[in-house]
Amino acid sequence: AQTVTQSQPEMSVQEAETVTLSCTYDTSESDYYLFWYKQPPSRQMILVIRQEAYKQQNATENRFSVNFQKAAKSFSLKISDSQLGDAAMYFCAYRRVSSGGSNYKLTFGKGTLLTVNP
Amino acid sequence: EAGVAQSPRYKIIEKRQSVAFWCNPISGHATLYWYQQILGQGPKLLIQFQNNGVVDDSQLPKDRFSAERLKGVDSTLKIQPAKLEDSAVYLCASSFNRGIGYTFGSGTRLTVV
Repeated sequence: AQTVTQSQPEMSVQEAETVTLSCTYDTSESDYYLFWYKQPPSRQMILVIRQEAYKQQNATENRFSVNFQKAAKSFSLKISDSQLGDAAMYFCAYRRVSSGGSNYKLTFGKGTLLTVNP
Repeated sequence: EAGVAQSPRYKIIEKRQSVAFWCNPISGHATLYWYQQILGQGPKLLIQFQNNGVVDDSQLPKDRFSAERLKGVDSTLKIQPAKLEDSAVYLCASSFNRGIGYTFGSGTRLTVV
């Protein structure tokens, strides 16, 4: 079974600074998707960034970028120029590429609570 | 487009009572998921529907939890009887068939006392 581990329960960063959130995962599959989701107090999961495992290039979305190390099974999220609105729980998630199957579930880590200090 | 609608937003019940949650997914999304998120943990899949058929319910405590998705649109999740450990946020999400674009609702926070 696939597992996702986030080893940092809490992180803090000063506004305008850069912070990196860590995530490791375990899988025997060669092709899969990895995600970072943000969950503010409103509880709705919001997609931050997505990475396809077959792509060597790291995904970027504005101030958000990932460092995807497939061999090490590591998928960290870097937030540049942190803003007060970035404060939230961040979850790393995994999904297999279901070729022939139909199970498209996301497997989540336990999350990292990010605090942004003004 | 409208988001995934869930109700109620909050619910407090006593143990051994029953409770039901409702979810209305994005129009056209064939796949619907119910996740349980216990405080301090990531969401865990309870059940996945493809149209109105169950794809995965391996993590659903079937002695007390049940779910249905009539006509392949709305879904309800029921707990009967509730236990203290069922206190959690119940999130509903939907996606196109094999899509990797998931839309989540705002969840229902259940407190069992």
